[in-house]
Amino acid sequence: AQSVTQLDSHVSVSEGTPVLLRCNYSSSYSPSLFWYVQHPNKGLQLLLKYTSAATLVKGINGFEAEFKKSETSFHLTKPSAHMSDAAEYFCVVSPLNDYKLSFGAGTTVTVRA
Amino acid sequence: KAGVTQTPRYLIKTRGQQVTLSCSPISGHRSVSWYQQTPGQGLQFLFEYFSETQRNKGNFPGRFSGRQFSNSRSEMNVSTLELGDSALYLCASSSMGTSVNEQFFGPGTRLTVL
Repeated sequence: AQSVTQLDSHVSVSEGTPVLLRCNYSSSYSPSLFWYVQHPNKGLQLLLKYTSAATLVKGINGFEAEFKKSETSFHLTKPSAHMSDAAEYFCVVSPLNDYKLSFGAGTTVTVRA
Repeated sequence: KAGVTQTPRYLIKTRGQQVTLSCSPISGHRSVSWYQQTPGQGLQFLFEYFSETQRNKGNFPGRFSGRQFSNSRSEMNVSTLELGDSALYLCASSSMGTSVNEQFFGPGTRLTVL
């Protein structure tokens, strides 16, 4: 079985400052890990993915995440927030080669001007 | 390539009715998954189809069913609608390439049950 815990339900940052979204996972198998973003009234867009290759994963729009097996974490970061980053972010886990995704509860990001 | 499309985008039904939602995957994608998104329960996996066969199913009652056609298009059906079925239903498709479980999501169908 696998599950994800997003440690913050809401994060508020000022434009131009770093963003950190925290995610811990639990998995019985070697997992695939993903971060998805959902803008209001839109579907989910993949930001980045980890599938047992490099532990530091770079994604779109300046986001990156680091897989730390010892800490069972997959935190998402961005060095400088932009107003367009305001959205809901989901950390997702699934076993490798499996199509069933398990989603975290989501973190809402607010960006202040 | 066109993305995942879902129809209709919005639906309003009353309790006891049934509803069918449609999903067209990205061309060449053979796996289609369905998810339910609600404020209370978040995003939950419903089921996944590959080559017209259901391979995976989440913890939903039998009122929720689906199917996949030979062209990979998929439909999901909810019978005897309940108020709690009001949700955003998301469809996702996946290829059998190197990232076998990377999924691409459609915009969703917003179902409101009155």
